[in-house]
Amino acid sequence: AQTVTQSQPEMSVQEAETVTLSCTYDTSENNYYLFWYKQPPSRQMILVIRQEAYKQQNATENRFSVNFQKAAKSFSLKISDSQLGDTAMYFCAFMKGGSNYKLTFGKGTLLTVNP
Amino acid sequence: NAGVTQTPKFQVLKTGQSMTLQCAQDMNHEYMSWYRQDPGMGLRLIHYSVGAGITDQGEVPNGYNVSRSTTEDFPLRLLSAAPSQTSVYFCASSSLRQGVRTEAFFGQGTRLTVV
Repeated sequence: AQTVTQSQPEMSVQEAETVTLSCTYDTSENNYYLFWYKQPPSRQMILVIRQEAYKQQNATENRFSVNFQKAAKSFSLKISDSQLGDTAMYFCAFMKGGSNYKLTFGKGTLLTVNP
Repeated sequence: NAGVTQTPKFQVLKTGQSMTLQCAQDMNHEYMSWYRQDPGMGLRLIHYSVGAGITDQGEVPNGYNVSRSTTEDFPLRLLSAAPSQTSVYFCASSSLRQGVRTEAFFGQGTRLTVV
């Protein structure tokens, strides 16, 4: 079974600064997907960024980027120029490739952006 | 395009009552799933379906039933509510497009309280 570990239950950052959220996972699979989801106080689950394991290039979406280290099974999220609207719970998630669609989530990191 | 629609948003039940959480998606996704979110636990998979007429258990299935009579709908039934089922419930759907998995699209969530 896959496991996803987010070792930082809470983090805080000043507005406009950069913050990195950590995620490690355990799997014996070679084909899989990794995701970061954001959950603001509205409770909605919003996709931030995704990474296919077969891609060596790290994914980037505007201010959000990942550092994907496949050998180390690490998938950290970097948020640049943090904004107050980035305040949310962030979940790292793993999905196997093939016919299995199940998502395995980490326990989440609560990020607070301070003015 | 409504995406994933989940109802109700809030519900209070008495112990022993039954109810159905509704979930519908209009994206023609073959895969649908139900998760529960508890503080400090992330999201855990309750049941999932890979297509109409096919369902299977996830990580925490006890006390819940599902059915999938159409591609669009995937209701979750609580047979006899217990206080341990107090949680936030999410429905999600995803698909395979040109050999690549889409991310999971989530409903707005249901906050269920069992008293």
